[in-house]
Order: sequence, then structure tokens, then C-alpha cells
Amino acid sequence: GENVEQHPSTLSVQEGDSAVIKCTYSDSASNYFPWYKQELGKGPQLIIDIRSNVGEKKDQRIAVTLNKTAKHFSLHITETQPEDSAVYFCAARNLYSGAGSYQLTFGKGTKLSVIP
Amino acid sequence: DTGVSQNPRHKITKRGQNVTFRCDPISEHNRLYWYRQTLGQGPEFLTYFQNEAQLEKSRLLSDRFSAERPKGSFSTLEIQRTEQGDSAMYLCASSFLRRGDLQYFGPGTRLTVT
Repeated sequence: GENVEQHPSTLSVQEGDSAVIKCTYSDSASNYFPWYKQELGKGPQLIIDIRSNVGEKKDQRIAVTLNKTAKHFSLHITETQPEDSAVYFCAARNLYSGAGSYQLTFGKGTKLSVIP
Repeated sequence: DTGVSQNPRHKITKRGQNVTFRCDPISEHNRLYWYRQTLGQGPEFLTYFQNEAQLEKSRLLSDRFSAERPKGSFSTLEIQRTEQGDSAMYLCASSFLRRGDLQYFGPGTRLTVT
């Protein structure tokens, strides 16, 4: 099955700086890569996603890049703000196959702290 | 769109007791998922429903676990004879195939088995 590795496990940045979180996946059939933000006591919130036919996607201060050849994808947050502090999870999924395709396989998370 | 809701939010039970959690998905979402999350880990897939049919179950879902979605709307997850290892956050998510099949999560039910 799919295995997703996520680095770093913790990340501290000064407010206004950029943050980058990286993930690698093992199953070359995976073609959908969402990122979730989880605040304390809450469920994961979908913040951005990318499909394998696209190399980069941007939404305001958040961007995701995908390198299918190397099987890795990254989350970039620019101009970080204290409210960006949370745990971020990457995930992978094959949208189009049969059994096993419905589940998301998650990384272990990155705890981001933005220091004011 | 009121989001995915889960009840209860917290449950403390003694080992050996049965517990049941409820998930109400986003209206019109025909797909519903259960995940389990332990401290410091990402969510792990448990099971999946399309409408009322349970189509996939993880190996994590032992025979003490059962899930239902009787009318294709809300779902319940029951754990029988709870063990301390069952202590975790149980997350529900829903999606709608025709809108990209994006999975939206509820706030979770935190289970503590003493």
C-alpha cells in the first residue's frame, strides 16, 4: 500500500517568513495530494490540493508543488502569520482505481509554530 | 452547508464497555469515511460508505468494530468490548463524487478508555 513520509516534524518560523513542508510518497499510482491543517481540538481542514496533471497550484499565501518523477510534493506558506500555527498533514490517494482508492494515506504531520 | 458534525465530542468509558459514535455528513455528500487518529500521528483509514453500502474496510477495523449507514445519511461507529488501545480520536469525513470527491472532516470524537 501507499506510504507517505513527511518532514520536518516540527518547524518554527518568524512571523512574515516562509515555511516549507515536504512529503514523499511510495505508490506511483497516487494522483491526488491534499494538504490539511489541524488546530488543537479540531478536525483536519482541507486547505489546498493538487492533482497529478498539474505541477503547481497557488491560493493566496499557500502553494503546493508536485514532482511526479521524484514522487514528492511540498507545501509553501509565504508571509506567515501567527494564525498559521497548527499541525499540517499531507496525504496521497489514487482517485481512479478500485479497492483501496477511497482512502487517504496521511503523513505524520508537521507542527508549525509562527513566532510573532 | 453546515459541515460534518460528530457526537459526542468526548467519551470516557471503562475497558470492556461498548461505545457508539455518530457522524452526520454534509448534506448531499454520498460518500462517508471513518478514520482514527492517535496522538502525534496522521489519521488512519478505517472504513468507507457510498450511500448505504460499506465498500471498504481497513485491516485496522477488527471484529469489535462495526459501522453502519442505514439510510445513506448519518453513520454510526460502534466499538464493542473496548480496550485501552482503542483510545484515540475518531474522525468522520464526507465527500461528493461530482464535486471532485474532496474529503471534508468533522471535529472528531475523542475516546478515552480507562
